[in-house]
Amino acid sequence: AQKVTQAQTEISVVEKEDVTLDCVYETRDTTYYLFWYKQPPSGELVFLIRRNSFDEQNEISGRYSWNFQKSTSSFNFTITASQVVDSAVYFCALSLTTSGTYKYIFGTGTRLKVLA
Amino acid sequence: EPEVTQTPSHQVTQMGQEVILRCVPISNHLYFYWYRQILGQKVEFLVSFYNNEISEKSEIFDDQFSVERPDGSNFTLKIRSTKLEDSAMYFCATQTGNEQFFGPGTRLTVL
Repeated sequence: AQKVTQAQTEISVVEKEDVTLDCVYETRDTTYYLFWYKQPPSGELVFLIRRNSFDEQNEISGRYSWNFQKSTSSFNFTITASQVVDSAVYFCALSLTTSGTYKYIFGTGTRLKVLA
Repeated sequence: EPEVTQTPSHQVTQMGQEVILRCVPISNHLYFYWYRQILGQKVEFLVSFYNNEISEKSEIFDDQFSVERPDGSNFTLKIRSTKLEDSAMYFCATQTGNEQFFGPGTRLTVL
């Protein structure tokens, strides 16, 4: 079975705190992709990062960093020095190949509230 | 930068009415998708479409739903007889290589 679990439903932090959003996935496929999306109150899905299953290097982009660990099937997302503008719902997603298409399986999302 | 566009941004309809949600894919993209997000819930896969036919569909995508590319550019999702539970945000996505690009979504409200 393919599944993405985001156990944290909602997290509240005070501005400038660091925060980590957890993502655990399940798949038997050896080739897959993992993603993080941000959904602000306006509703659109904002792409943050894509990682393929063969690349376990961690990545840093400004205040954002991602920790991919195949051994624990986790792809966690850390925001350093959080800001009020980071307040949104964050979704982790898994992409599988079926008949040449790559449907995405999303987690239930984590709502992040950053308080001033 | 090319974008996926969707119209309308918000559609309000009466229960039992037919609605058509439209998507303009990024040029040269060959794979198309529809996803649904009920308010406060996760984004769920509905259907994928390639070479003018459905590649895969979820359990949600029942006989009330259909997709097509009527003119080779637009990609549409039709709901034949809307129900209250069809109220959701509907996202179109198009794909090149192994990356999907999402449109801004259409918020459907069924009264």
